[in-house]
Amino acid sequence: KNQVEQSPQSLIILEGKNCTLQCNYTVSPFSNLRWYKQDTGRGPVSLTIMTFSENTKSNGRYTATLDADTKQSSLHITASQLSDSASYICVVKYNNNDMRFGAGTRLTVKP
Amino acid sequence: DSGVTQTPKHLITATGQRVTLRCSPRSGDLSVYWYQQSLDQGLQFLIQYYNGEERAKGNILERFSAQQFPDLHSELNLSSLELGDSALYFCASSGTGGASSEQYFGPGTRLTVT
Repeated sequence: KNQVEQSPQSLIILEGKNCTLQCNYTVSPFSNLRWYKQDTGRGPVSLTIMTFSENTKSNGRYTATLDADTKQSSLHITASQLSDSASYICVVKYNNNDMRFGAGTRLTVKP
Repeated sequence: DSGVTQTPKHLITATGQRVTLRCSPRSGDLSVYWYQQSLDQGLQFLIQYYNGEERAKGNILERFSAQQFPDLHSELNLSSLELGDSALYFCASSGTGGASSEQYFGPGTRLTVT
């Protein structure tokens, strides 16, 4: 069954700390994996996209990793800021154009 | 600002009614996607259009339909509305609609069914 699971469901960290969000998937055949940031009540914004051959990709303080063998991805946020408070959604594309969304991780950064 | 526009921003209607949500993609984008996001739920892909033709279908109910017009704007029609249809409806657009093409999301339409 094609699934995308994210953990943790929610996370609270202090400003300046680092954190790592996880995404495990079972979809096949894999096309790509994307991480989105969604502020409350707003549309998601793409952070990174990773294809089968990519292990790591960075976008500022955001670094995504992909292990296509174990079907796991992570999103690492360094030196968190209050503006990082949002939901982070993992989306996996497969069969070229089908996609599955994870339920998201709700991150709260506190001062 | 993603360049994708959606109207209306908010919509309140009663059960059994029909509504139409509108989306204008970014200039030059040929593909439009529709998503539903219920309260505290993840994004659910509904349907994708590419240059006027349906390209992919997700969890779209039979009471819902969509189309993409020659000027590339798209409309999502929701009929026989139920309380459970209350949600944020997002439209996204991309250039080619291919597997690797980035999707740009609009601000969403918040639908409340009472």
